[in-house]
Parts: sequence; C-alpha cells; structure tokens
Amino acid sequence: DAGVIQSPRHEVTEMGQEVTLRCKPISGHNSLFWYRQTMMRGLELLIYFNNNVPIDDSGMPEDRFSAKMPNASFSTLKIQPSEPRDSAVYFCASSLESGPLDTEAFFGQGTRLTVV
Amino acid sequence: QKEVEQNSGPLSVPEGAIASLNCTYSDRGSQSFFWYRQYSGKSPELIMFIYSNGDKEDGRFTAQLNKASQYVSLLIRDSQPSDSATYLCAVINSGYSTLTFGKGTMLLVSP
Repeated sequence: DAGVIQSPRHEVTEMGQEVTLRCKPISGHNSLFWYRQTMMRGLELLIYFNNNVPIDDSGMPEDRFSAKMPNASFSTLKIQPSEPRDSAVYFCASSLESGPLDTEAFFGQGTRLTVV
Repeated sequence: QKEVEQNSGPLSVPEGAIASLNCTYSDRGSQSFFWYRQYSGKSPELIMFIYSNGDKEDGRFTAQLNKASQYVSLLIRDSQPSDSATYLCAVINSGYSTLTFGKGTMLLVSP
C-alpha cells in the first residue's frame, strides 16, 4: 500500500482565497483524522471521521473550516476564506479502529500551507 | 481540556548514551499511549505503544507506563545520531478513539 496520500504537498495562497486539501487514506482503514501542526501549538486534532461519518469536530477552529468524507477513500479539508494565521502543516492520518485500544494512526506526508 | 505535557528540549546526549524522554497526561481515563518520532520536515511515525503499567521493550527502545502517576516515558539505549528527531507522546482520549499529542521533545544525539 502507498500509505496515506495527501495533496498538494505545498500550497501558497493569498489571504481571502479558498484552499482545499485532499487526502486518500490507507485502503481498509475506517478512521480518518485531520491534524494541524504549528510550532506554537504542536499537533492539534481538527476532525475525526469513523466510517465516513464525522464523530468529533470540536477541534475545527471556526466556520471558515469544513471537512468532508464522501466515501471511504477520499476526504477534503476546506478553508474559506483563508487567513495568514491558518499557515501550518496539515496532516491527514488514518487507522483501522477495531476497539478502544487500537488507534495506531498512519500519517500522510502533510500539506504545508502558507497564506500571505 | 485533556492535556499531554512534554519538555520541549532540546535534550542533548552523546552517541551511545541513554536518552530518557518523559510525558505526563491529564486524562485519568486514558488507556493507550504512543510514542511517535518526527524528523524535521517529515510526518510522525509510530515507534511504540503501551497499554499496561510497567515496561515494554522493543530493540533499543523501552516504553514505561505508570497510570497512577499519569506518566509515560521512552528510553533509547545506545543513542545514535540518526535518533536525532522530535519525539511526540500521544494518548488516546477516553470516550473517543482520537489521539491527543504533546508538543514533543527534540532529541539531539552528538557523535
């Protein structure tokens, strides 16, 4: 398996523009996570899907952020409008969740977002 | 607010020494604990996980868990320069199957 695939790897956009980040989880995995990493705040969970259903979106910063998982092999994270403070590395991770102890998350390579 | 605390470092050790990385967590209901390694500019990768109190060894790595003290540690024996990275402690939150990460400890192993 190719692992978790994210695109694009790098994104530079102007403030106010819409940004869409994409993720393909590992085939067969039933849980998907979007994380944001900054020096100041570390790795923060934004949203968690299980079987394509959003379970916990309490980490989504505000209404400018939205995430979808239309099927088991694809998810998007959208920011509209983008702001400079959204600049960060966004990671997608997936796992095969079979019980409360099993959450070995495999991370994609991340998308480095810069909003100018 | 469920928190995972780590010393940011850097922790500097000479090659061949034992590196000791520590982590505390606030959610007493947490059951599973993970150590991830992240090289600069790369994504986190799992090193070890531990569920039960005590020690768990895997090669040069030993994870230690003390649930009463809400404390997890990672020992790296015979440290190598290639071990230089940021080590992230992660905890599964009670109630959900999501990971809360600490901010990580940077480890520097000098030749």
